[in-house]
Amino acid sequence: SQTIHQWPATLVQPVGSPLSLECTVEGTSNPNLYWYRQAAGRGLQLLFYSVGIGQISSEVPQNLSASRPQDRQFILSSKKLLLSDSGFYLCAWTPMVLTDRVWAEAFFGQGTRLTVV
Amino acid sequence: ILNVEQSPQSLHVQEGDSTNFTCSFPSSNFYALHWYRWETAKSPEALFVMTLNGDEKKKGRISATLNTKEGYSYLYIKGSQPEDSATYLCAFTTDSWGKLQFGAGTQVVVTP
Repeated sequence: SQTIHQWPATLVQPVGSPLSLECTVEGTSNPNLYWYRQAAGRGLQLLFYSVGIGQISSEVPQNLSASRPQDRQFILSSKKLLLSDSGFYLCAWTPMVLTDRVWAEAFFGQGTRLTVV
Repeated sequence: ILNVEQSPQSLHVQEGDSTNFTCSFPSSNFYALHWYRWETAKSPEALFVMTLNGDEKKKGRISATLNTKEGYSYLYIKGSQPEDSATYLCAFTTDSWGKLQFGAGTQVVVTP
């Protein structure tokens, strides 16, 4: 069965410090991968998605970047955190099956609570 | 940016009562509408993925309907139980890549 791991679960970082959040998927190949963020009082917002190694698309301009060094590994990074980067970050994957891609449900990690102080 | 709206933002339900809430989304460029349940300290889990106008899906006491022409979906919980307490998210797929536009969610609290 497929599983998704995301870490760390919580993180408190000072403004200006770097960030690295990691997500790995097991039990599937060529997944679509996504990073979402929930800011306080708001819904989940798509930050990045990836359809393959080294292929990253950004949905909103921001202080963050993403990378996919391996097929089932997705990393969210920042060189210098801002207070506005605080929030709850979720990694997700969907199957890379062409005919089912449109309606494939997303599977989410446990999330990372990031507080920038 | 396409807006997905959910209402109400929260609701309290007595155990055994039925309830429903709404998700509205842009009716143009529709691909799919997802419903997720997000319990505290857990990951969001998919309830339904609906693609066709008039779709009705059911899972136990929870069901959903879809109207793509007018851009809304209803989620129904019949005979609410405390374990139904969660935030229910709807999400609209904007294109064939499976990227989801989420609403802010409806928080449901079922009291015994």
